Amino acid sequence: QITLKESGPTLVKPTQTLTLTCTFSGFSLSTSGVGVGWIRQPPGKALEWLALIYWDDDKRYSPSLKSRLTITKDTSKNQVVLTMTNMDPVDTATYYCAHNGDYFDYWGQGTLVTVSS
Amino acid sequence: NFMLTQPHSVSESPGKTVTISCTRSSGSIASNYVQWYQQRPGSSPTTMIYEDNQRPSGVPDRFSGSIDRSSNSASLTISGLKTEDEADYYCQSYDSSNHWVFGGGTKLTVL
Repeated sequence: QITLKESGPTLVKPTQTLTLTCTFSGFSLSTSGVGVGWIRQPPGKALEWLALIYWDDDKRYSPSLKSRLTITKDTSKNQVVLTMTNMDPVDTATYYCAHNGDYFDYWGQGTLVTVSS
Repeated sequence: NFMLTQPHSVSESPGKTVTISCTRSSGSIASNYVQWYQQRPGSSPTTMIYEDNQRPSGVPDRFSGSIDRSSNSASLTISGLKTEDEADYYCQSYDSSNHWVFGGGTKLTVL
């Protein structure tokens, strides 16, 4: 049974760096073909893909946010970490992590991050 | 990069059939698989269609997916509409650089 859960701060100030952790179970990020991605959704708006890391440490980023994002994995801890720099109120959103085995087939419950001073 | 454009909203009556479109702005719709996700209020998205027209186990066969090369679009068709189908639906695909893209979402109202 695959499960994922996001954790991190619920409130960050403008210009700060956001660090989110995705802790998962039921699969290994060292298995060929497997990836974990991050997707966000501002309140009342659409889903937006942010980043994806694969079993071989290949990393992909949204071109529009690439300069602000870093994705890493800790296979031994079954965790994937996303950092986003220079946070702005427009970055207020629910952030999801999801298992990717050709598509996003299992999603976490999401964590709401509010950017406000 | 490309965009996926969906109608903002659609509505139909219970028992009827509805189709939601998803048009790719550049590059061929057939170049990379399209997925469809359902999202009910307050919940995480769930996959309804993957690889253009495949249903995950547990998804009713009332849901079907297709692509149309002539219009460079994908479609999600839901037949025998039920009130429980009322939700937001998102199409998703990717490009040759493995950059993933979501459509803007379509709100389905079953009235």
